[in-house]
Amino acid sequence: GAGVSQSPSNKVTEKGKDVELRCDPISGHTALYWYRQRLGQGLEFLIYFQGNSAPDKSGLPSDRFSAERTGESVSTLTIQRTQQEDSAVYLCASSLVDIGGLGNTEAFFGQGTRLTVV
Amino acid sequence: KNQVEQSPQSLIILEGKNCTLQCNYTVSPFSNLRWYKQDTGRGPVSLTIMTFSENTKSNGRYTATLDADTKQSSLHITASQLSDSASYICVVTRYSSASKIIFGSGTRLSIRP
Repeated sequence: GAGVSQSPSNKVTEKGKDVELRCDPISGHTALYWYRQRLGQGLEFLIYFQGNSAPDKSGLPSDRFSAERTGESVSTLTIQRTQQEDSAVYLCASSLVDIGGLGNTEAFFGQGTRLTVV
Repeated sequence: KNQVEQSPQSLIILEGKNCTLQCNYTVSPFSNLRWYKQDTGRGPVSLTIMTFSENTKSNGRYTATLDADTKQSSLHITASQLSDSASYICVVTRYSSASKIIFGSGTRLSIRP
């Protein structure tokens, strides 16, 4: 596809259940980011994948959160034993990595997955 | 520590008025800085990009400035319209062998008729 695709667009789940969110980045984008955005709040960094390098997991709020990415393709964000505080929009973004350092690195965002834990 | 801080956190102005949003960063080494606009319920969309050597960049009624010495950027909106109501996010890319993009928490702008 032409843009970053996320699925599902909306997810309602019961407290304690596991959920899996999917992100299809733009083809050729080696960098992929997951962010969380609570209602009325700014973007909260979760995790960053760059090619085959070890991911930067410094933003994951707890061990209930994990993410995987196979090569430079699809990524999944998994939340285990969901809590009401996990309710938020989860945004995925991808970008080219400009190893030259002075280029036009733009992050393209998906529409997000709105997660509601009841 | 590589950080991007924005102010104010929120702002309400009357339609037709101008406003300026601020962004301070400590990201180093610096590659470029973007301003994104995020409409409610949508993903952020890029407005402007500036590299180290650029001081000003305009996109219609939006004008971004960059002072790489003081590590400050501003986004000036002229003759605001109701459609400008959105969150504005400052984003700095760190120069390295594996570029990393660092997002500010955004300024929520509301335009009142």
